Amino acid sequence: EAGVAQSPRYKIIEKRQSVAFWCNPISGHATLYWYQQILGQGPKLLIQFQNNGVVDDSQLPKDRFSAERLKGVDSTLKIQPAKLEDSAVYLCASSQPGIYEQYFGPGTRLTVT
Amino acid sequence: AQSVSQHNHHVILSEAASLELGCNYSYGGTVNLFWYVQYPGQHLQLLLKYFSGDPLVKGIKGFEAEFIKSKFSFNLRKPSVQWSDTAEYFCAVATGRRALTFGSGTRLQVQP
Repeated sequence: EAGVAQSPRYKIIEKRQSVAFWCNPISGHATLYWYQQILGQGPKLLIQFQNNGVVDDSQLPKDRFSAERLKGVDSTLKIQPAKLEDSAVYLCASSQPGIYEQYFGPGTRLTVT
Repeated sequence: AQSVSQHNHHVILSEAASLELGCNYSYGGTVNLFWYVQYPGQHLQLLLKYFSGDPLVKGIKGFEAEFIKSKFSFNLRKPSVQWSDTAEYFCAVATGRRALTFGSGTRLQVQP
């Protein structure tokens, strides 16, 4: 079974630039999550999708972050404009409907200079 | 909102030593508890989980954890660690919406 795919793996941008991350979940996993993991901290949920609908985006900084999951499969997370404090690893995870166990992708390490 | 505390930020052990990593959560309702592990250069992997039933759960690679409801704790244990257990360990809790709330992690370093 293929795992959760993410790209790019690494990205370096300057502050005020924009960036986008892509995630393809495990086939059949209706629920998709984006987490932000700042160095030295645990992952923090940014947004949760169920199919192509948003379940929880209460911790997403909506003035600069946006996410979509068109057709209920892959998803894109965007930051525009980026700030220094956005430097982190962005993790995508997916799970089957009604199942708590989540499978994580390798993450995208973002450095904002 | 729920929260998770991991009090050991960095633990250094010699091979064959016993391991116990603390995890406490704050949430008054039904919780589902997890330990995830992140080996160097790899992605987060599930180590073990507790949903209900026997409060002592066994996971992969000889790890186990005990859920003590009265103490709001879910400590991770292993009787004898190996060098290959060097990793970062995260405790997490999930409630109704199934998104995970993670602790800050414990970095375990096992010296040969």
